[in-house]
Amino acid sequence: AQKVTQAQTEISVVEKEDVTLDCVYETRDTTYYLFWYKQPPSGELVFLIRRNSFDEQNEISGRYSWNFQKSTSSFNFTITASQVVDSAVYFCALSDTGRRALTFGSGTRLQVQP
Amino acid sequence: NAGVMQNPRHLVRRRGQEARLRCSPVKGHSHVYWYRQLPEEGLKFMVYLQKENIIDESGMPKERFSAEFPKEGPSILRIQQVVRGDSAAYFCASSPEDPHNEQFFGPGTRLTVL
Repeated sequence: AQKVTQAQTEISVVEKEDVTLDCVYETRDTTYYLFWYKQPPSGELVFLIRRNSFDEQNEISGRYSWNFQKSTSSFNFTITASQVVDSAVYFCALSDTGRRALTFGSGTRLQVQP
Repeated sequence: NAGVMQNPRHLVRRRGQEARLRCSPVKGHSHVYWYRQLPEEGLKFMVYLQKENIIDESGMPKERFSAEFPKEGPSILRIQQVVRGDSAAYFCASSPEDPHNEQFFGPGTRLTVL
């Protein structure tokens, strides 16, 4: 069975601070895919990244970076120099060969204060 | 280059009425997924469809809910005899042939049951 855990319900930081959002996953498959989505206050879901289980390279995109560690089943997301516009709920999600639909974590609400 | 379209964006129904939610996937996408987001919660998978076929409905409530994705036209999620607990945001996503690609999400339909 699949499971995604985002233990941090809510995080509040001050602008320009770095912040890391944790994601721990469970799956029995050796082939699986991990995703991060952002849900701003307007409510839509914005795709941020997809990783497959065979690619453990960390990725950086501007102020965003992702740390994928199979040994700890974690796929953490770091925002460097946070901005007020980063305030949103962030969801980590998983799919595998047994279940193509996404299994979402419960989300982490990030508040960036000016 | 239209993305996933959902309508209506907001829907108000009284208890006992029917709700019909429509989803037009990205042009060329043959896979459609429906997810439900209860207030202050993460997204939960409901059903996965390909054209004219239901592939996985393991997340659908057994009664009152049905979904279709006809050969022509949008995918429809139908909720019969709505109850207050059905109040939620319903998101549709579509993906191209390789279902582990990014799932493109629509803006959601917010259903309120009075």
